[in-house]
Amino acid sequence: SQQGEEDPQALSIQEGENATMNCSYKTSINNLQWYRQNSGRGLVHLILIRSNEREKHSGRLRVTLDTSKKSSSLLITASRAADTASYFCATLGGGADGLTFGKGTHLIIQP
Amino acid sequence: DSGVTQTPKHLITATGQRVTLRCSPRSGDLSVYWYQQSLDQGLQFLIQYYNGEERAKGNILERFSAQQFPDLHSELNLSSLELGDSALYFCASSGAQGYFNNEQFFGPGTRLTVL
Repeated sequence: SQQGEEDPQALSIQEGENATMNCSYKTSINNLQWYRQNSGRGLVHLILIRSNEREKHSGRLRVTLDTSKKSSSLLITASRAADTASYFCATLGGGADGLTFGKGTHLIIQP
Repeated sequence: DSGVTQTPKHLITATGQRVTLRCSPRSGDLSVYWYQQSLDQGLQFLIQYYNGEERAKGNILERFSAQQFPDLHSELNLSSLELGDSALYFCASSGAQGYFNNEQFFGPGTRLTVL
């Protein structure tokens, strides 16, 4: 079953603009991770934020985590055509070690 | 390239058949995870092995089984295949430091089509 729910389901922006995706989850977590998937290929790990962290940066990526609201956001700044992909949030809880994924946000960057 | 390899890339088979998917984790990673991605169910965790032992089970059907060998590669066996088993099957691995707070590195996946 899905725990995370990404919002929006799809997002289309112009190259150079910033893209923001949101993720909500239901149960307590150890960490939350964001992954990118290009057109049915393997998932690429982008960033991991632990439950005791509030914000994390990696290059053009900024992730925030609000455990009180059980939500996270991924910001991609200065978007490029190569950022076109599906983005998934995934949570790791205190029980099983497998990740629970959301349904993903499909991001399209218009050149 | 994540360092995780999966074979085969594509598999086409008929209902009722049995297939085996293979995964080699990144060098040094002790944990192997299997995931299924389908249009209706999305990405679902199936099962995890850690250093040869089953560690956690997710939404894995009884018709499916897995194992991890002494050289740490893993196999996912799918039997009595049904049309609904058509999906992308991913393997992921993570490091030896411990189970938690580790990023997982995903292989390129095996696309299974059941006709």
